Amino acid sequence: GAVVSQHPSRVICKSGTSVKIECRSLDFQATTMFWYRQFPKKSLMLMATSNEGSKATYEQGVEKDKFLINHASLTLSTLTVTSAHPEDSSFYICSASSSGGIYNSPLHFGNGTRLTVT
Amino acid sequence: EDKVVQSPLSLVVHEGDTVTLNCSYEVTNFRSLLWYKQEKKAPTFLFMLTSSGIEKKSGRLSSILDKKELFSILNITATQTGDSAVYLCAVAPGTYKYIFGTGTRLKVLA
Repeated sequence: GAVVSQHPSRVICKSGTSVKIECRSLDFQATTMFWYRQFPKKSLMLMATSNEGSKATYEQGVEKDKFLINHASLTLSTLTVTSAHPEDSSFYICSASSSGGIYNSPLHFGNGTRLTVT
Repeated sequence: EDKVVQSPLSLVVHEGDTVTLNCSYEVTNFRSLLWYKQEKKAPTFLFMLTSSGIEKKSGRLSSILDKKELFSILNITATQTGDSAVYLCAVAPGTYKYIFGTGTRLKVLA
């Protein structure tokens, strides 16, 4: 149980275009999902907290107009990287907690999306 | 500022060795601590710790939390090459999110 699916696993796009990444909870409902970014050989940096039916909460230093988050249902959150630039190239990974909230059950991660902007 | 620090940053051992990984934290309102193993893609869950002094165990891995001294350790006994990975520690500081530490990169040599 508690499977999180992330798509696509890998994407290459041209500078200036937008890319959408989907994160789905397959066998549970996720009121809250989290989006992380990971640089090579570095840890996970929290970008934003995605809340179903409301606006996302962004961490300090993360541009909300550049990284658009939509959490339209209890099983789907999307991250859109708008007007992508080469410095946006990174590994993006989503996570969600199953029943009881994050203090009572662990985060389960998607397999991540490696974005390369040329 | 909430902070999670792991040590060592990297570690090379031989098969059969025992390793201890450390995670110390400074957060405003501690709620829980998670340990993960990350090989290539998604981190896989190892342990969730909320209470001090209670050891959690899974096979050769075990972990314990000390809420007074603000740290947790992850022990791996009789290491195998398959244990080579980055081990991540994350802490929930009471603001409904998790902050991840720097990670410890473990390499186990045959």
